[in-house]
Amino acid sequence: GNSVTQMEGPVTLSEEAFLTINCTYTATGYPSLFWYVQYPGEGLQLLLKATKADDKGSNKGFEATYRKETTSFHLEKGSVQVSDSAVYFCALIDGGSQGNLIFGKGTKLSVKP
Amino acid sequence: KAGVTQTPRYLIKTRGQQVTLSCSPISGHRSVSWYQQTPGQGLQFLFEYFSETQRNKGNFPGRFSGRQFSNSRSEMNVSTLELGDSALYLCASSLDWGTQYFGPGTRLTVL
Repeated sequence: GNSVTQMEGPVTLSEEAFLTINCTYTATGYPSLFWYVQYPGEGLQLLLKATKADDKGSNKGFEATYRKETTSFHLEKGSVQVSDSAVYFCALIDGGSQGNLIFGKGTKLSVKP
Repeated sequence: KAGVTQTPRYLIKTRGQQVTLSCSPISGHRSVSWYQQTPGQGLQFLFEYFSETQRNKGNFPGRFSGRQFSNSRSEMNVSTLELGDSALYLCASSLDWGTQYFGPGTRLTVL
């Protein structure tokens, strides 16, 4: 079945450090891939997405590239800020999942000033 | 456009009671999905509705049910509440089986 594996947290970085959160997936078809972010006490916000191989999603300085050959969708940001502190979820959706998002377990990021 | 709204934001119930949660999707979105989020199990899919029909259902007991109205608003109901039902319940809307946009969630506490 479909699944998403992302690196366990928590991840603690200093402000302006480089961020990478690894995400790999298993899917039967050709999934669309997503990163969602959840701030404390809130719902999920769509951060970025990619719908086909080699697509790069980007938003607010975050980027992720859909790599079919390595079945990966790693999240990166060149310089993190304290306001980026949140939990990040990698997710996929495709016909095999019948329209429901399959999520990774989430990675908690804390950025220290 | 207004985002996905969920009511109420917080609920406290006791074991054995039932609860109904409401979700209003983004205008024009006809698909509504529900997820349960807990620290132990993470985000788990409950069910998805499209044009008033349940298209997909996750692995939850029959105590969890839902429905969708003609204006695409959706409700989910949990009967005979158990302590383990304490969770954040998230609703998401989409045009169809595409990008899902989430509401702020309803925090349910079962005592």
